[in-house]
Amino acid sequence: KNQVEQSPQSLIILEGKNCTLQCNYTVSPFSNLRWYKQDTGRGPVSLTIMTFSENTKSNGRYTATLDADTKQSSLHITASQLSDSASYICVVSSINSGGYQKVTFGIGTKLQVIP
Amino acid sequence: DGGITQSPKYLFRKEGQNVTLSCEQNLNHDAMYWYRQDPGQGLRLIYYSQIVNDFQKGDIAEGYSVSREKKESFPLTVTSAQKNPTAFYLCATKGTSGSSSYNEQFFGPGTRLTVL
Repeated sequence: KNQVEQSPQSLIILEGKNCTLQCNYTVSPFSNLRWYKQDTGRGPVSLTIMTFSENTKSNGRYTATLDADTKQSSLHITASQLSDSASYICVVSSINSGGYQKVTFGIGTKLQVIP
Repeated sequence: DGGITQSPKYLFRKEGQNVTLSCEQNLNHDAMYWYRQDPGQGLRLIYYSQIVNDFQKGDIAEGYSVSREKKESFPLTVTSAQKNPTAFYLCATKGTSGSSSYNEQFFGPGTRLTVL
């Protein structure tokens, strides 16, 4: 069964500090992995997307890494800001034999940045 | 939220009533999806449509129905058969194969449905 597990479930950090969120998956066959940011009561917004051949991708203060061998990804946030307070969702896609892209969502990590 | 609108943002329904959630997009994307989000769970797929006049059941389709008469619109009806309809509902779209937006789903702002 395809699964995406994220840790920690929640995290509180001081403004200006860095943090790293983890994502482990058992999705197969792997197609791509995305990190989304979801503000409370809003729809998720894409931060990064990585395919099998990519092991790091940055988007401003957000840097995602991917180790396809160990099936792990991380999202590193540098110099956190209050606006980074949100849930961060790891999403892994696979392609079935019919060419349909199956998407599996993690529960998310709820990050709170405090002054 | 891009070019996806969902309405209303908040919806209250009495038990036993059907209710329809709207999803409209101007991204010219072929594929559209409906998810529900519950606390402590990842997004779960209700229905999806890869082309006009065609749609498929997702993982939790029971108690829901959809239509796809136009490319831009993919309304979701929550029927009285859905046993636990209170949730946050998200509509998403995805570009066609070969386009730059093929691998990414774009989400609408969501509708929070509460059954009283």
